[in-house]
Amino acid sequence: ELKVEQNPLFLSMQEGKNYTIYCNYSTTSDRLYWYRQDPGKSLESLFVLLSNGAVKQEGRLMASLDTKARLSTLHITAAVHDLSATYFCAVDMSSNYKLTFGKGTLLTVNP
Amino acid sequence: EPEVTQTPSHQVTQMGQEVILRCVPISNHLYFYWYRQILGQKVEFLVSFYNNEISEKSEIFDDQFSVERPDGSNFTLKIRSTKLEDSAMYFCASRLTGGYNSPLHFGNGTRLTVT
Repeated sequence: ELKVEQNPLFLSMQEGKNYTIYCNYSTTSDRLYWYRQDPGKSLESLFVLLSNGAVKQEGRLMASLDTKARLSTLHITAAVHDLSATYFCAVDMSSNYKLTFGKGTLLTVNP
Repeated sequence: EPEVTQTPSHQVTQMGQEVILRCVPISNHLYFYWYRQILGQKVEFLVSFYNNEISEKSEIFDDQFSVERPDGSNFTLKIRSTKLEDSAMYFCASRLTGGYNSPLHFGNGTRLTVT
């Protein structure tokens, strides 16, 4: 059974600081996705990572994938309050977007 | 920007009742999904649907659940006899193609409360 573990589960950080969220998974896969969820809202696709060594950046967020280590990271640079949300990683073991999600990281950025 | 639309946003039902959750996927999308999220927990896959049939389903998606695309625009999830543990946020999602680079677009969800 595929297990996807994120850490930390809760992250409180100051504006302007950098931090990294980690996503480990238990079975080989080269398809990993990051989503953002605001309270009471839907899931917004942030990054699609499809190969070993993939790195994608959007604004203050950068995601990477190391399939050998079964690890993806979501790096936050110079955090701002608007980044406060829950971030999920999800792994696809099928060819059909049958995603297995991590528990999510609740990020709070304080002024 | 086109979006996935779900109705109702909140549904309350009594245990044992049938509920139908409705979704209108993005119009030219071909692949459809239901996921659910129990309050405070992780998002779980329920079922995928393509070409008018179920492609894959999870262990959660037992005989109490069914999906249907009754016309060219709607995609529904039916729970035949609801249980307390069915209380969750149900997300419909769609995507354009079968390619891995075709991301899932999620709706805003229907919060189902079973009393």
